[in-house]
Amino acid sequence: EAQVTQNPRYLITVTGKKLTVTCSQNMNHEYMSWYRQDPGLGLRQIYYSMNVEVTDKGDVPEGYKVSRKEKRNFPLILESPSPNQTSLYFCASSWSATNEKLFFGSGTQLSVL
Amino acid sequence: AQKVTQAQTEISVVEKEDVTLDCVYETRDTTYYLFWYKQPPSGELVFLIRRNSFDEQNEISGRYSWNFQKSTSSFNFTITASQVVDSAVYFCALTRSDSGGGADGLTFGKGTHLIIQP
Repeated sequence: EAQVTQNPRYLITVTGKKLTVTCSQNMNHEYMSWYRQDPGLGLRQIYYSMNVEVTDKGDVPEGYKVSRKEKRNFPLILESPSPNQTSLYFCASSWSATNEKLFFGSGTQLSVL
Repeated sequence: AQKVTQAQTEISVVEKEDVTLDCVYETRDTTYYLFWYKQPPSGELVFLIRRNSFDEQNEISGRYSWNFQKSTSSFNFTITASQVVDSAVYFCALTRSDSGGGADGLTFGKGTHLIIQP
């Protein structure tokens, strides 16, 4: 089944403790992206990747890192999480950039205490 | 910079009523794509439609229809004979342009929370 898999689904952590949210897609998509969703703000793009080893900042990249060593994986790294990073995070992928429809993961609800 | 405005934060209607969700966008691009996504209470994001800027034909899919008007920069979504299962947050989105003339993501509106009461 074609899908984007994010883990974990829920995560509670404390300020400053490094964490990684994993994202994997099995559709051989070139484009992958991370979004965060906050009440009243909709979805905002954090980072995106056009292909392996190519990543770039979106609208709200501060406090996040990403890597794209393999086509299928695009982990989101929070080196030193802070409470303002408490949010619902979505990974997405598509065949190329975003003229194509995005396939979204099921989301990761992160709480930073 | 691109912008998507969904002025209706929340809409509540009674089942079987028709309801229209508004979406107004701003872009300087001549070529762009517009999308609608649905987010039901379970939280996942479900693709509904993609429309490119050169195709102004209205689209109908069952009880759903979309009205794209370039003259008013709008891409409105209508649900006919609404059902409780239509209750969700609906997002309108627009392709973002990168500095090289391509696209690098989507700009989303803030969403409209649609409540269908039985």
